[in-house]
This record gives sequence, structure tokens and C-alpha cells, in this order.
Amino acid sequence: SQQGEEDPQALSIQEGENATMNCSYKTSINNLQWYRQNSGRGLVHLILIRSNEREKHSGRLRVTLDTSKKSSSLLITASRAADTASYFCATVHYGANNLFFGTGTRLTVIP
Amino acid sequence: NAGVMQNPRHLVRRRGQEARLRCSPMKGHSHVYWYRQLPEEGLKFMVYLQKENIIDESGMPKERFSAEFPKEGPSILRIQQVVRGDSAAYFCASSPPTTDTQYFGPGTRLTVL
Repeated sequence: SQQGEEDPQALSIQEGENATMNCSYKTSINNLQWYRQNSGRGLVHLILIRSNEREKHSGRLRVTLDTSKKSSSLLITASRAADTASYFCATVHYGANNLFFGTGTRLTVIP
Repeated sequence: NAGVMQNPRHLVRRRGQEARLRCSPMKGHSHVYWYRQLPEEGLKFMVYLQKENIIDESGMPKERFSAEFPKEGPSILRIQQVVRGDSAAYFCASSPPTTDTQYFGPGTRLTVL
């Protein structure tokens, strides 16, 4: 299976703290993407990192990619209650266009 | 530029009926993807289409499920003779030809009674 695994499954933090989520995958990738899903809603694209990149930033988001370990992390700094959602990593493999999603991390930010 | 549109948002069917889910991609997007999400799980790829062509249907169940993306009109995911195990959220995503980023619709939540 090319599906990723995310860790932790659930994370609860206080507003203002940083949140770190990890994603591991099994086969070589073209790129890895992170998405957010609010309860009962569709997915919102957050950031894309290519296989030849190691780190990327977007606002309060920082994504790292270690292709030797087949893993990625998403860091959300200075969290807000509005960041409460499920976060999914998704990989795109060479020769394919579809996304393989991880199992997700459910983040709760307590005001 | 409106986002990806899906309808209906909620669909209730009895076992044995047919379900038709519609997806209108963003303007200028010629690639459409369908994913299924079971409760408390991540999304699983079903099918990838371009206008009038199925490019990759490796995630589609072999029976009862079909998809199309005609030259005119929305993409349709059709489930015949639904069973309780088909209950899930079905998401459509679209992308233009030149990017790996997919833009997701709000999903259709199918409940089979």
C-alpha cells in the first residue's frame, strides 16, 4: 500500500503553543502535500513540497521533508483555536497524478 | 472563480437504489479526481478523469461503480445497487493540466439505509 501513516492520531494543545505532526510513507514520491479538513467539510490545500526540497514555509506553517527516512513533518506555530481540524499528508508518486492520503492527525487547539 | 462544486451535499438511498454524484470542476480545470472517505479515515483515491477519458480507475471497485466526465457538463460518479458499505463521503477534486495541486469540493455524504 502506498498510503501514508500519520503520527500522532490526535493532538490537543493550548492556544499559542506549537503543533507538530508527522507523516511517513513507503515508496518514492514526486511531491508531498498537506491538507486541512474541518469537521464535515472538504479539504483545503495548505502546502506542497517537492522531493528535491527539504523545507518550506507558508505563514505559520513549516514543512520538512526527509526522503531518506521517507517522512515529513508539519509544524504550526503560535496555534489558534481556528486551527482545530484534521490534517492529512498526501503523496504523489512518479508516474501517477492521484494523491495517496495518510490517516490524518486530529488537532484540537484549546482557547 | 467559483470553487469545485458538488451536489447533492447529502444523499440518502435505500439498499438496491442508484446514487448519482455530480462534480463541476473549477473553471479552466480539465482534470477531475474522485475520492472516498469512510468515517474516521483518510481519503482513498477512486478514479482520475480528463474530458471524455478515464485515465486511471485503479481505485474503483470493479462492480457497481462507474464514472464519466463528458465534454459538456459535470463529472458523474454513479453507484448502482447501493449497499450499506457504500455509505461514505465522496469528494471530487480538480486541477489544471500544469500543476500537482488539487482543489477539493465540499463532498457528498451518501447514507445507505
